[in-house]
Amino acid sequence: GQQLNQSPQSMFIQEGEDVSMNCTSSSIFNTWLWYKQEPGEGPVLLIALYKAGELTSNGRLTAQFGITRKDSFLNISASIPSDVGIYFCAGQRVSGGSNYKLTFGKGTLLTVNP
Amino acid sequence: DAGITQSPRYKITETGRQVTLMCHQTWSHSYMFWYRQDLGHGLRLIYYSAAADITDKGEVPDGYVVSRSKTENFPLTLESATRSQTSVYFCASSDRGINEQFFGPGTRLTVL
Repeated sequence: GQQLNQSPQSMFIQEGEDVSMNCTSSSIFNTWLWYKQEPGEGPVLLIALYKAGELTSNGRLTAQFGITRKDSFLNISASIPSDVGIYFCAGQRVSGGSNYKLTFGKGTLLTVNP
Repeated sequence: DAGITQSPRYKITETGRQVTLMCHQTWSHSYMFWYRQDLGHGLRLIYYSAAADITDKGEVPDGYVVSRSKTENFPLTLESATRSQTSVYFCASSDRGINEQFFGPGTRLTVL
C-alpha cells in the first residue's frame, strides 16, 4: 500500500529548540492526523486537520494542512525531554477506496537532549 | 475501564500454533482496525471492520482471520503462526463519519 513520505526520519535536538517535520504525498488527502508513540505504547492522537490551509494548535504543537492537500506539517516549539518519541502522520485519501482507512508515514524519531 | 484495550500485552508462541489476540473498546465505535508494526514498514493494516459481522481485508491479511460478532470486540487470530508474524499488533477504532482512529496499547507477539 501507499506510504506517506515523512521527513526527517530522525532528529536529535537540544531541549528548548523548535522542531519541524512534514509529510508529503502524490495523492490528495481530505484528512491529516498527527500521532505520537512512546516506547511500549500505542500511537496517541495529537492533532486532526480537516480543511486545506487549516492551522491547529495543541499546546506547544502546531500542525497545518497544506494548501495543495498533498502535505502536512507539524511543529513543536520549545521542546522538552518528554517530547521524545516517534511522531507519525496519517492521512485519508480523497479517492482511497474503502472509507476510513488511513495511510501512515513511517515516523520521525525525536530525541531531546536535556 | 473506558477506552480501547488489548490482551495479552505480550505473547510468546511457537511456529504452527494458533494464537488469538483480543481487542475491546467501550466507545461503541463502528469501525475497528488491526495493524502490525515492524521496523522499516511502519504501520500496516491487516483487517478492518465497519460494523458487527462486516469485515474486510487490509494490506497484509494473509495468515490472519478476524471476526466481529459484537460491536465492542474484534479478535485477531493467527491460524498457524509463522516467524514472519513476529511483530507488535495494534488495534484501533473510530466512529462512523470520523477519520480519527484511537489506538490500543499493543500486543507484542514473538513466534519462535
